[in-house]
Amino acid sequence: IAGITQAPTSQILAAGRRMTLRCTQDMRHNAMYWYRQDLGLGLRLIHYSNTAGTTGKGEVPDGYSVSRANTDDFPLTLASAVPSQTSVYFCASRMGPNTEAFFGQGTRLTVV
Amino acid sequence: KQEVTQIPAALSVPEGENLVLNCSFTDSAIYNLQWFRQDPGKGLTSLLLIQSSQREQTSGRLNASLDKSSGRSTLYIAASQPGDSATYLCAVTLSNTGKLIFGQGTTLQVKP
Repeated sequence: IAGITQAPTSQILAAGRRMTLRCTQDMRHNAMYWYRQDLGLGLRLIHYSNTAGTTGKGEVPDGYSVSRANTDDFPLTLASAVPSQTSVYFCASRMGPNTEAFFGQGTRLTVV
Repeated sequence: KQEVTQIPAALSVPEGENLVLNCSFTDSAIYNLQWFRQDPGKGLTSLLLIQSSQREQTSGRLNASLDKSSGRSTLYIAASQPGDSATYLCAVTLSNTGKLIFGQGTTLQVKP
């Protein structure tokens, strides 16, 4: 049982480049989330999706976009990376708002 | 806007002590509150989920309480062990959107 898989595990990216972080879950969860975690700032919600075909903005959505074409996948795209997007990114999923959320192992992204 | 606060930011205790971690939130319109554990460089592991209609949940040496009307939750750890050393995060699910919003965490060190 894989659970939630994030890829890549880590990446160094030149500023201005486009990058897609992948998140796949095999639990048929309806809801999925993307967070960034920065020292001293905790986990901040970037975008979320309550069900396939819908997405919503979180606390820090600027510079990021998401899509939810199917239940299993929730990719996060940085259209033109900037150094302030250097962070650890976590994907999470759960069946619905009344259930436990589960997290992937994270992607460490460095924008130089 | 929902604000989630965890106090203290860091805590150091000798092995064997019972301890309490605090989590407060400003908007009581929540589905539930979830406590997580995060080890350095790792993803988040779910510890306990308390629904808004519940007062407490227990798992082994952990007991979490929820007072929705006052916007507070506590995580009680009995007979702490060095293996409990980690960062503990609380998160609330907003009733109107399903967003999962985190506090900044409490970093716990249990000394042998």
